[in-house]
Amino acid sequence: GDSVTQMEGPVTLSEEAFLTINCTYTATGYPSLFWYVQYPGEGLQLLLKATKADDKGSNKGFEATYRKETTSFHLEKGSVQVSDSAVYFCALSPYNQGGKLIFGQGTELSVKP
Amino acid sequence: EAGVAQSPRYKIIEKRQSVAFWCNPISGHATLYWYQQILGQGPKLLIQFQNNGVVDDSQLPKDRFSAERLKGVDSTLKIQPAKLEDSAVYLCASSSLQHGGELFFGEGSRLTVL
Repeated sequence: GDSVTQMEGPVTLSEEAFLTINCTYTATGYPSLFWYVQYPGEGLQLLLKATKADDKGSNKGFEATYRKETTSFHLEKGSVQVSDSAVYFCALSPYNQGGKLIFGQGTELSVKP
Repeated sequence: EAGVAQSPRYKIIEKRQSVAFWCNPISGHATLYWYQQILGQGPKLLIQFQNNGVVDDSQLPKDRFSAERLKGVDSTLKIQPAKLEDSAVYLCASSSLQHGGELFFGEGSRLTVL
C-alpha cells in the first residue's frame, strides 16, 4: 500500500542553520504531497503542498520539490528560527481516493538560540 | 471563520470502559475525517465521511470503534470497550472543494486508557 517515510528525529539545530528533513514515499499513480506542521499545544496545520512532479511548494521560508524520479519531497529552509521548533509531518494524498492523507511518522525539530 | 472543534480535550478511562468524542467541522465542509495519532507516530486514518455517508472505514477496528455523522454536520467517535492500546490523540479534520480539498485539523482529544 501507499506509505511515507521520514527521517527520524529529534533534529536539533542552532538558530540560522540550514534545515533539511528527508521524506520519501511509495505510491501508485500520481499522489499529491504535503508537509504539515504541529506547533506545541496546537493542531496540525498545512505548511506547503505540491500536486504534480517538479512542482515546488513554499511557505514561510520553507520549500519542498516533488521529485518523482526519486519519490522524494524533502523539506528545506535556509535559516531556521527558534519559532520553527515543532513536529513536521510529510504526507501524501493518493490519486482519486477522496482526499485522505497518509502520514509519515513525524520529525521533531528543536531550534536553539 | 471558526475552526474544527473537538471535545473533550482530555479523557482518562480504565480499560473496558467506553468513551465518546465529538467533532464539529468547519461550516460547509462536506468531508470529515477521524484520525488516530499514537505517541511518536503519524496520524492514521480511521474513517472518512462525505456528508453523512462513509467513504472509507477500512482501518476502523469495527469490533470496538464506531462513528456516525447522522445529519452530515457534526460527528461522534465511540470506543467500547477501550483497550490499553487505544491510548492516543484522536484528531478530527474537515475539508471542502472550495478550499482546494485542504484538510483543516482540530486540536485533538487525548485519550489515556489505564
